[in-house]
Amino acid sequence: GENVEQHPSTLSVQEGDSAVIKCTYSDSASNYFPWYKQELGKRPQLIIDIRSNVGEKKDQRIAVTLNKTAKHFSLHITETQPEDSAVYFCAASIRGPLETSGSRLTFGEGTQLTVNP
Amino acid sequence: SQTIHQWPATLVQPVGSPLSLECTVEGTSNPNLYWYRQAAGRGLQLLFYSVGIGQISSEVPQNLSASRPQDRQFILSSKKLLLSDSGFYLCAWSPLTGAVSGNTIYFGEGSWLTVV
Repeated sequence: GENVEQHPSTLSVQEGDSAVIKCTYSDSASNYFPWYKQELGKRPQLIIDIRSNVGEKKDQRIAVTLNKTAKHFSLHITETQPEDSAVYFCAASIRGPLETSGSRLTFGEGTQLTVNP
Repeated sequence: SQTIHQWPATLVQPVGSPLSLECTVEGTSNPNLYWYRQAAGRGLQLLFYSVGIGQISSEVPQNLSASRPQDRQFILSSKKLLLSDSGFYLCAWSPLTGAVSGNTIYFGEGSWLTVV
């Protein structure tokens, strides 16, 4: 099955700096790569995603890049703010061959991001 | 719009007691449904997923089971809880169709289970 590795496990930055979190996946058939943000005690929430036919996607201060050849993807947060502090999860998904197959996400272990004021 | 409800929000149960967590989705039909477990605030482990009524796939062997009695209802159960079952349980859904690649998964608010 799919295996997703995420680095670093913890990341501390100063407010205003950039933060980068990297993930690698094992199954070349994976074709969907979402990123989730989870604040303490709350559910993970989708912040950005990318599909395999795109190399980069941006949404304001957040961007994701995908290198299918190398099987890795990264989350970039610019101009970090204290409210960006949370655990971030990457994930990879394969869609089944049938419409009834569904799709399943395999998650990385998470990165605890701390933005210091 | 679609919403997902999960209950109870918190639960303290003794070892050996039964468990039932329930999840319902509104505003969509034929969703994929999932149960995830998260221990110590990190690592989301997929426990079960379902693509239709009565269709359950288990990802890991354990003393938990899942059922889908209705299209938008998903239940996580155990006959006898273990200490190791403690954790944060998350129900989730995704659209069954609409994209040629994997679909976004949306999580419920979670249930904190403490086995004592």
